[in-house]
Amino acid sequence: AQKITQTQPGMFVQEKEAVTLDCTYDTSDPSYGLFWYKQPSSGEMIFLIYQGSYDQQNATEGRYSLNFQKARKSANLVISASQLGDSAMYFCAMREKNAGNMLTFGGGTRLMVKP
Amino acid sequence: DTAVSQTPKYLVTQMGNDKSIKCEQNLGHDTMYWYKQDSKKFLKIMFSYNNKELIINETVPNRFSPKSPDKAHLNLHINSLELGDSAVYFCASSQRTSGGETQYFGPGTRLLVL
Repeated sequence: AQKITQTQPGMFVQEKEAVTLDCTYDTSDPSYGLFWYKQPSSGEMIFLIYQGSYDQQNATEGRYSLNFQKARKSANLVISASQLGDSAMYFCAMREKNAGNMLTFGGGTRLMVKP
Repeated sequence: DTAVSQTPKYLVTQMGNDKSIKCEQNLGHDTMYWYKQDSKKFLKIMFSYNNKELIINETVPNRFSPKSPDKAHLNLHINSLELGDSAVYFCASSQRTSGGETQYFGPGTRLLVL
């Protein structure tokens, strides 16, 4: 079974609108962390936001927020007020304590922001 | 200052050759990683290493070996390169403390095996 699933291979969003990128995960480890990374066309991996399994509140970082629904095992990324520079691949990843803290990545979602 | 750096940025080589990719981090982190990103953009962990333990993804061929001269460096050595090794290789680092243990990535090394 896939540990991290991103069901949207590609998405369009109009500039200045909000967009939600989906991520579901599968783990039996009670201690885990969820991450979102952005990969622009230049290729680097940029850390965006983190949510711990024991965190009571949803994480926010500027225009990024993470909609964490633990019972549903989902960790969707919400980008508010999209900008042209947000066009990139977005990867959801999970760190499990019982897996040596290494990251397992989803297949990614390509986001394209339309002017 | 670059937090996690890799050299070279691009590497083109012939099948059968042996090559190394270098990684350095100046974040003071105690754990470093190597990931492989294939042509379909799928990212997969290869190794996790700190000064106490090496964790190897069981799917990684033993032609790949990490070498760490010190805490700030984790180089990736590849023997007998194959066509299927062509990919982007990312180094990352994190600090093993309680909390997020966010991994910070290097810029990637694009390897092409001919």
